[in-house]
Amino acid sequence: DSGVTQTPKHLITATGQRVTLRCSPRSGDLSVYWYQQSLDQGLQFLIQYYNGEERAKGNILERFSAQQFPDLHSELNLSSLELGDSALYFCASTTLGLQGNEQFFGPGTRLTVL
Amino acid sequence: ELKVEQNPLFLSMQEGKNYTIYCNYSTTSDRLYWYRQDPGKSLESLFVLLSNGAVKQEGRLMASLDTKARLSTLHITAAVHDLSATYFCAVDSSGGGADGLTFGKGTHLIIQP
Repeated sequence: DSGVTQTPKHLITATGQRVTLRCSPRSGDLSVYWYQQSLDQGLQFLIQYYNGEERAKGNILERFSAQQFPDLHSELNLSSLELGDSALYFCASTTLGLQGNEQFFGPGTRLTVL
Repeated sequence: ELKVEQNPLFLSMQEGKNYTIYCNYSTTSDRLYWYRQDPGKSLESLFVLLSNGAVKQEGRLMASLDTKARLSTLHITAAVHDLSATYFCAVDSSGGGADGLTFGKGTHLIIQP
């Protein structure tokens, strides 16, 4: 158990809908990362937040957005969903500096878009 | 754009044998990470390599980093079935953690009795 929690574990929805994925980082970690894992694209970095502020963006679509709240939990919002958005979405957290950028991953949310 | 290439992508081997997984990356970095993923599960951190020449060992796994060659290896000694999993290497090119990790495609390892 990494200490990172994610909800829900599974999500099934229809094309065109909007969903919100939630992540709580390890106790004490200020930095949260979101990743998407799919068969064709592999593991891709989406976005990073540090202490409530967006710090880095990866291959995140404009239909996707995220935020980090004062209690450090983060939410990833996916809108106008398409079949190709079906994937495993991971959240990871880290304490920057102690062990480089070693990231601890949550259990993931499996999103199925029908 | 940073590229991370692993090979092989698929590896089937017998218990008791040794093998090496290779991870090449395309840009200067001295921070490399190895993760393990079991089917349908999350990623588990195995090794953190933070400098040229770094070598870390845990049980039957040993990882090393050569930043000049932009190469990391994950060596498996006397493989056992429990090591069957997908192994990913990941590179952090930001230098300060202000970026996500770039992952290789993963090596799907099957160890047969």
